[in-house]
Amino acid sequence: LAKTTQPISMDSYEGQEVNITCSHNNIATNDYITWYQQFPSQGPRFIIQGYKTKVTNEVASLFIPADRKSSTLSLPRVSLSDTAVYYCLVGDRAKDTGRRALTFGSGTRLQVQP
Amino acid sequence: EAQVTQNPRYLITVTGKKLTVTCSQNMNHEYMSWYRQDPGLGLRQIYYSMNVEVTDKGDVPEGYKVSRKEKRNFPLILESPSPNQTSLYFCASSLSANRGSYEQYFGPGTRLTVT
Repeated sequence: LAKTTQPISMDSYEGQEVNITCSHNNIATNDYITWYQQFPSQGPRFIIQGYKTKVTNEVASLFIPADRKSSTLSLPRVSLSDTAVYYCLVGDRAKDTGRRALTFGSGTRLQVQP
Repeated sequence: EAQVTQNPRYLITVTGKKLTVTCSQNMNHEYMSWYRQDPGLGLRQIYYSMNVEVTDKGDVPEGYKVSRKEKRNFPLILESPSPNQTSLYFCASSLSANRGSYEQYFGPGTRLTVT
């Protein structure tokens, strides 16, 4: 199964830009990279998704290098409400057996201080 | 409003008493999935379904069953619950997984306690 590696935790202050990097060496050729945000006792919430280069939406930017073996989620000017766990998710790289199981990494716990 | 609903939200039961957690989505999504989340272990996929009558095991399927008779519903069945199945469960759906896109919508979660 495709494995993702992220830092366990990060600390920041309000107003700063935060960059969280995820390593995914075995990403499948056709798979996108998806990032989620999760608050305690809530379901994860989709933030952003990309295939290559850069994607930006109203919440975040996602940077993906040409080899696609990593990705960086960028949160501009974080606030206290951005304190959460952030997960990156990629699909399964095995030969196409038709399986589409998904494995979340352990996530990055972001703590934003005043 | 597009959403994934789960019922019940909270459940306390005893070992061995069969239970079903329902999941329903109103977005006509093909891909549906169940996850469990335990402290320190993150989100682990239990079962998934790529479409009606098509289901497959995730990482931790032991002790669970699922069915997908209709596109909108994907119930999770615990035939004989045990205390190690005490967990927070999430149902999720996405349009399709065939194109490599995993933009999933998650339900609010079901907190299950098995005594």
